[in-house]
Amino acid sequence: GENVEQHPSTLSVQEGDSAVIKCTYSDSASNYFPWYKQELGKGPQLIIDIRSNVGEKKDQRIAVTLNKTAKHFSLHITETQPEDSAVYFCAARGNQFYFGTGTSLTVIP
Amino acid sequence: DTGVSQDPRHKITKRGQNVTFRCDPISEHNRLYWYRQTLGQGPEFLTYFQNEAQLEKSRLLSDRFSAERPKGSFSTLEIQRTEQGDSAMYLCATGTANYEQYFGPGTRLTVT
Repeated sequence: GENVEQHPSTLSVQEGDSAVIKCTYSDSASNYFPWYKQELGKGPQLIIDIRSNVGEKKDQRIAVTLNKTAKHFSLHITETQPEDSAVYFCAARGNQFYFGTGTSLTVIP
Repeated sequence: DTGVSQDPRHKITKRGQNVTFRCDPISEHNRLYWYRQTLGQGPEFLTYFQNEAQLEKSRLLSDRFSAERPKGSFSTLEIQRTEQGDSAMYLCATGTANYEQYFGPGTRLTVT
């Protein structure tokens, strides 16, 4: 089955700086890569996704890049704000969805 | 609020009891997923429905777990003879054929 690894497990940045979270996957058949934001006591919220036929996608301050050859994808958050503080999960869809172990992002005002 | 609702939000039960959770999807979503999430981990896939058909089930899923989705609308997840290791957040997500998933708020289960 698929194996998704996510780094770092914790990340602290100053407000206004950028944050980058990286994930690798093992199954070359995986074709859909979403990112979720989870706040305490809530379910994961889909924030951006990318499909295997695209290398990069951007939505305002959030961007995702995908390198199919290297089997890794990354989440980039620019101009971070305190409300970006949360746990972020990457996922890969092969025959089912496999999630990374999460990155706890803290944005320091 | 994604429009996916789960009930109850919290459940405390004694070991050996049966519990049932309910998920109400976004109405136009024909795909429904159940996940389990423990502290510090990402969601772990349990099972998947397309309309009323259960198409996939994790090999890790014990025979004590069963899920249904009658009429392709709401879904229930039942755990029989609960064990302390079943304590976790149980998440429901719904979506369409484009793979996007929208999660509910989850049901937190505590087995004492």
